[in-house]
Amino acid sequence: GAVVSQHPSRVICKSGTSVKIECRSLDFQATTMFWYRQFPKQSLMLMATSNEGSKATYEQGVEKDKFLINHASLTLSTLTVTSAHPEDSSFYICSAGSGRRYEQYFGPGTRLTVT
Amino acid sequence: AQSVTQPDIHITVSEGASLELRCNYSYGATPYLFWYVQSPGQGLQLLLKYFSGDTLVQGIKGFEAEFKRSQSSFNLRKPSVHWSDAAEYFCAVGASGNQFYFGTGTSLTVIP
Repeated sequence: GAVVSQHPSRVICKSGTSVKIECRSLDFQATTMFWYRQFPKQSLMLMATSNEGSKATYEQGVEKDKFLINHASLTLSTLTVTSAHPEDSSFYICSAGSGRRYEQYFGPGTRLTVT
Repeated sequence: AQSVTQPDIHITVSEGASLELRCNYSYGATPYLFWYVQSPGQGLQLLLKYFSGDTLVQGIKGFEAEFKRSQSSFNLRKPSVHWSDAAEYFCAVGASGNQFYFGTGTSLTVIP
């Protein structure tokens, strides 16, 4: 199956700093990428949907200015957590859509810890 | 509103025993239903999906699921569990815009 990578897999940052997470589709072009947040023992919550070359669509309650999403190419999307705070600590997962209905390939996730 | 409920947070089964993971959904139209497995360090992997047709769906790794409209359920089954099946399992319903609503997951432990 298609492969999606995320980098870094783990990151620790200090409160107030920004951190960037990359999501790459390695062997296919993804016109749409999705970003999820997963709390321990909880579901994956969709944060935003991004289409290559256009602005991301954020879910209700997700701060656009805090979670900056860029989808500059068909194989790369980035999530930047700006001015991170401890409550932003979470597991962030991206997925890349193949274009077929509901066909998404998920990255392994990034564990963000804000101290 | 769409929602997915997985009543069992954690299940423990013996290797070789049968497995059933429960999933109930709430959706206004005909649902598109999915089961994913999440192993540590790996992305969610699709086990199987239901779009239409035969209500008993076969998936990878010996898993199957049955769609029961009358019960709003899509339970995942496996006749004989292997130790490598230990993981987190998520049920999901497809929504507009190719998005998913996921359940809260069921953690499966397999004991020898």
